Order: sequence, then structure tokens, then C-alpha cells
Amino acid sequence: AQKITQTQPGMFVQEKEAVTLDCTYDTSDPSYGLFWYKQPSSGEMIFLIYQGSYDQQNATEGRYSLNFQKARKSANLVISASQLGDSAMYFCAMRDTGRRALTFGSGTRLQVQP
Amino acid sequence: NAGVTQTPKFRVLKTGQSMTLLCAQDMNHEYMYWYRQDPGMGLRLIHYSVGEGTTAKGEVPDGYNVSRLKKQNFLLGLESAAPSQTSVYFCASSYSGKNTGELFFGEGSRLTVL
Repeated sequence: AQKITQTQPGMFVQEKEAVTLDCTYDTSDPSYGLFWYKQPSSGEMIFLIYQGSYDQQNATEGRYSLNFQKARKSANLVISASQLGDSAMYFCAMRDTGRRALTFGSGTRLQVQP
Repeated sequence: NAGVTQTPKFRVLKTGQSMTLLCAQDMNHEYMYWYRQDPGMGLRLIHYSVGEGTTAKGEVPDGYNVSRLKKQNFLLGLESAAPSQTSVYFCASSYSGKNTGELFFGEGSRLTVL
């Protein structure tokens, strides 16, 4: 069975600073995908970034980058130059190749302080 | 673009009542999912469908039924609601082709069972 672990229930960061949100995973599938979603206080789920297990380079999307360390089974999200609008819950998730459903971690609540 | 639409957005039930949540997507996606979100537990998969006329159980299927009679719709039913089913329910869909497998989410439906 797949498992996603997010060990940081809450994080604080100063505006304009970078922050890393931790995510570790466990799977026996050789092929898998890793995702990060953002959930602001309004409740919607916003896709941020994707990393495939065979991708050689770390994924980047604007201010978001995914620090993928396959041997350590970690997929940390790095947000550079934090903005007040980054305050939200962040979920790490993994897709299994069969159902194509996502298994989610418990989330990290990020608060950006001015 | 509507994307994924869930109805209703809010509902209050008494224990033992029944109800149906409707999910509709206009992206011609093959895969559809129902998740529930509870505090501190992330999103957990209830049921999913890989195509019209098919359904399968996820991690927490007890007390729920689903149907996918039309490709664009995925219904989640509660036959006899219980207080433990108080939650926020998310519907999602994804493309079946070779891509990241990103899930597109509806805005969520908040259900309270008294």
C-alpha cells in the first residue's frame, strides 16, 4: 500500500523568504507520480507541481520547485520568495499506476507573516 | 469553463436520512473520484470510476454507494447518514491518457449529519 507522510502540521515563514515543506512516501511501484496541491481557506484544491518517478530533473513551476530525492523517498516542496497569498494548507500526494487515484498526506498549514 | 461541478455545496441531514451528491465534469475525463476530507487526515478515497458504467471501492467505502451511468456524472449516495459521515466531500476527475494524471477537483460539498 502507498503511504504519504507530512510531518509538519504547521509552518511559519516571513514574507519574501523561502520555505521547504517536507514529504516522504512509501510505495512498491517502480513507476509513480508525486503531486503537490494547495488548499487556501476558501477550500478549493489547486494543483501546483508534478514529479514523475523517472524524471531526471527536479520539477519547477514558477516559484515552486520539487526537491525529489528518490533514494530517500522524499519529495519536498520549496516555495521561493513567499507571499502573503501563499498562506494555505499544502498537501503532498502520490498516484498509483493502477487506479490513477491519489493518496494524500495529512497536510501542512503554512502561514506567511508580513 | 465549468470544470468539475458539485451539488449541493452545503447540506444538513439528520441521522438516518439519505441523500445524493452529484458531480458533473465537462472535460470528457474517463476517471472520476470521490474523496472525503476530515481535519488532520488529508483526503481519503471513498470510491472511484475508470469509465462509464464502472465503479470501485477506495479506502473508506463503508456507508456510501456510487453510480456512473453517464460519463460526465458521478453520484455519491448515503443511504442512512451517520454523524461519522460529517465531512467535506470532494469530487475529482482525470484524463486517462499519457499525462501527469493531475486530478481536477470540484469546490467541495460540506455535509453535516446531526
